[in-house]
Amino acid sequence: ETGVTQTPRHLVMGMTNKKSLKCEQHLGHNAMYWYKQSAKKPLELMFVYNFKEQTENNSVPSRFSPECPNSSHLFLHLHTLQPEDSALYLCASSFGTNHEQYFGPGTRLTVT
Amino acid sequence: AQSVTQPDIHITVSEGASLELRCNYSYGATPYLFWYVQSPGQGLQLLLKYFSGDTLVQGIKGFEAEFKRSQSSFNLRKPSVHWSDAAEYFCAVGSPNTGNQFYFGTGTSLTVIP
Repeated sequence: ETGVTQTPRHLVMGMTNKKSLKCEQHLGHNAMYWYKQSAKKPLELMFVYNFKEQTENNSVPSRFSPECPNSSHLFLHLHTLQPEDSALYLCASSFGTNHEQYFGPGTRLTVT
Repeated sequence: AQSVTQPDIHITVSEGASLELRCNYSYGATPYLFWYVQSPGQGLQLLLKYFSGDTLVQGIKGFEAEFKRSQSSFNLRKPSVHWSDAAEYFCAVGSPNTGNQFYFGTGTSLTVIP
């Protein structure tokens, strides 16, 4: 499989659930990103990892917890989410942090 | 602060007509500029990028964009639109000074009519 993959593609969870989003890149990149895409709003950068080290956390609430075990895998652990967290969550990767980013198809998250 | 503006929320064009999508940015130094396209239910696909050099850049699917420093613009163009071009288009800006941070516009939704 090539490119950036994300699982699951769709997720419905209650506010008390715990779930995780997974991202995997097969491009040999060393930087990975989580974005939140809500309707009619610009993409919001959430987290950045470069060589497995977190380099950006854009004031994201602690109910979102990222994990990057290696340069190819990125997780977003979710717990006690709010309905306003419903959105499309996109993962991206790049070869270095100043190069174009390649995106996965996203996970459509609905919090009920 | 860096920002990207896409003035047109939605554009409708006829198939075969030319297209221009506008993008203006606010940044003090030479930016890196990108255009991405997003089809429904999909992630963003890179159309083209500008880092330096020739200000007219060619991308995939017949798209091109021109960097105009004096106007702080990076407009996307295509001479003849195909029905499959209907999608959401995003302009983004980054730079060595912003490191990991890319700033995206709010997007322009393109409808193509037969």
